[in-house]
Amino acid sequence: DAGITQSPRHKVTETGTPVTLRCHQTENHRYMYWYRQDPGHGLRLIHYSYGVKDTDKGEVSDGYSVSRSKTEDFLLTLESATSSQTSVYFCAIRGLAGGLGTDTQYFGPGTRLTVL
Amino acid sequence: RKEVEQDPGPFNVPEGATVAFNCTYSNSASQSFFWYRQDCRKEPKLLMSVYSSGNEDGRFTAQLNRASQYISLLIRDSKLSDSATYLCVVKERVDSNYQLIWGAGTKLIIKP
Repeated sequence: DAGITQSPRHKVTETGTPVTLRCHQTENHRYMYWYRQDPGHGLRLIHYSYGVKDTDKGEVSDGYSVSRSKTEDFLLTLESATSSQTSVYFCAIRGLAGGLGTDTQYFGPGTRLTVL
Repeated sequence: RKEVEQDPGPFNVPEGATVAFNCTYSNSASQSFFWYRQDCRKEPKLLMSVYSSGNEDGRFTAQLNRASQYISLLIRDSKLSDSATYLCVVKERVDSNYQLIWGAGTKLIIKP
């Protein structure tokens, strides 16, 4: 259990409305990530954060913004949702991968977003 | 575009059988490799890291072939509970940071 929660877990919204997804972690991790997962694609990075107020774009950042005002919370906002943003959104934190001396990522339970 | 490719399956395998699947990656400078497991409508969970010399964790064996740029996962004595999608992940350095490149997954169905 990576100690990550996401809210809401499910959301249905209409095209053109703003949507904010929340990721909350309880273990003071510095790095946090937002991914989307679509059929036939690997997880694709939207944005990530390397500290409070420090964020950067990922591979598929167009149409998304993020904010991190506290270590424990990382918010993903769709300013004006489109049907192409219907997806499952996962938040992740960076943590150690046992045995290799390197790190990898651990995920929250995901948010299923449908944009009609 | 750097890619990680997997056979999407599904692999339909009888309980107790051995099954193996591969994953190929395109960036020869990739640093680390992982297998994740994802159950239906759940988040991906780390199954195992892949060591350069290969490694075993119970019924699971992971191998890395850097020359041919692929990693493999072998599952022995498969159980019904092994049914899931297995995601191949490659870690690459980008400037002073790193990124994970994800395969789309191989679906495994274990049949009684």
